[in-house]
Amino acid sequence: GESVGLHLPTLSVQEGDNSIINCAYSNSASDYFIWYKQESGKGPQFIIDIRSNMDKRQGQRVTVLLNKTVKHLSLQIAATQPGDSAVYFCAEIVGFGNEKLTFGTGTRLTIIP
Amino acid sequence: DADVTQTPRNRITKTGKRIMLECSQTKGHDRMYWYRQDPGLGLRLIYYSFDVKDINKGEISDGYSVSRQAQAKFSLSLESAIPNQTALYFCATSDRATGHYGYTFGSGTRLTVV
Repeated sequence: GESVGLHLPTLSVQEGDNSIINCAYSNSASDYFIWYKQESGKGPQFIIDIRSNMDKRQGQRVTVLLNKTVKHLSLQIAATQPGDSAVYFCAEIVGFGNEKLTFGTGTRLTIIP
Repeated sequence: DADVTQTPRNRITKTGKRIMLECSQTKGHDRMYWYRQDPGLGLRLIYYSFDVKDINKGEISDGYSVSRQAQAKFSLSLESAIPNQTALYFCATSDRATGHYGYTFGSGTRLTVV
């Protein structure tokens, strides 16, 4: 079946280092991808998105890379800070008409002081 | 005030009871969604609504019903709660007109069925 998943359930990174969170998807028809951050006790919060016709998109301290050949998505966080500790989800939309997001299971990022 | 407000934040209920979770939004978005979050399973779509007269089932709608009372309000009901409906429930909104497909989520309702 079609799915959006993550390679690792947990990731620990030293404060100040860069973090890379990976996501694999199986549907080659996926049109749009979003990364969300969920802090403890809160709802998911939008970080950055990318359309399938792009390879890279940058935001403030974050970069999303899309490799359609291997159906892989990554989120890079530069100079990680304690506030980056959270669960990160990738999500996809297949077909802009329905706009239902399908979420992966999440990666818990822990920042080591 | 939050853009998407969910009430209650926490609820403990007994098996067999009817319970309603409420969601209201001030973003003026036309689309609203209910998701369920369980550990290790991510977020799964229960129901969604693209406007006031539109209700659609998601991937796990059995045991749930919804009502879109107004553009700003979307409630989720459990007609007869069972323990495996214990989960974190999120309401979300989106607006196609903005060209941005990301959702805005509420803070969640933690439901425990005993």
